[in-house]
Amino acid sequence: DAKTTQPNSMESNEEEPVHLPCNHSTISGTDYIHWYRQLPSQGPEYVIHGLTSNVNNRMASLAIAEDRKSSTLILHRATLRDAAVYYCILRLRSAQKLVFGQGTRLTINP
Amino acid sequence: SAVISQKPSRDICQRGTSLTIQCQVDSQVTMMFWYRQQPGQSLTLIATANQGSEATYESGFVIDKFPISRPNLTFSTLTVSNMSPEDSSIYLCSVEPTVGEQYFGPGTRLTVT
Repeated sequence: DAKTTQPNSMESNEEEPVHLPCNHSTISGTDYIHWYRQLPSQGPEYVIHGLTSNVNNRMASLAIAEDRKSSTLILHRATLRDAAVYYCILRLRSAQKLVFGQGTRLTINP
Repeated sequence: SAVISQKPSRDICQRGTSLTIQCQVDSQVTMMFWYRQQPGQSLTLIATANQGSEATYESGFVIDKFPISRPNLTFSTLTVSNMSPEDSSIYLCSVEPTVGEQYFGPGTRLTVT
């Protein structure tokens, strides 16, 4: 499984945008980029995924670099409820298993 | 999406005993996944369970220690056998009803004394 690198922690303020980076320099052409988050005392929650083009959904946006060696999860307007550990995961479309790294612990200040 | 429930939500067990964790999904799914999350750590996949076949275990996990049943398309159990304090973790099941979107249960918090 290709490896991802994320900062251990980040901090932001409520109602401001948050950009969570992920480096994946060994990504292959068939790897999808997935993001999950885990709120305190809960199971992980799907956030978004993409292959090459930028993606938007009701929760977040995913910006993928042109060379696909990095990506950024964007929370447009953070709330206190967005405080969680965010995981960036690469996986083949045909592979259903998820390989979790250590993720980024996001703290939101009121 | 999928709604997943797990039982028990938490338990405290003595070493040497076994605990069976149940995972129930509100829709039929082909594969179910079992993960372990040790204290302060990320998630690690234990095994993948297909209905009607033997579970596929990841490296470092064996069937004798973590037997899995998958009697139908909405239910699975994971047993943690002959427990030791090192088995103290949160155990989570998940499903993927839509390709690319995996849904997790709330987890079972196990403490082994």
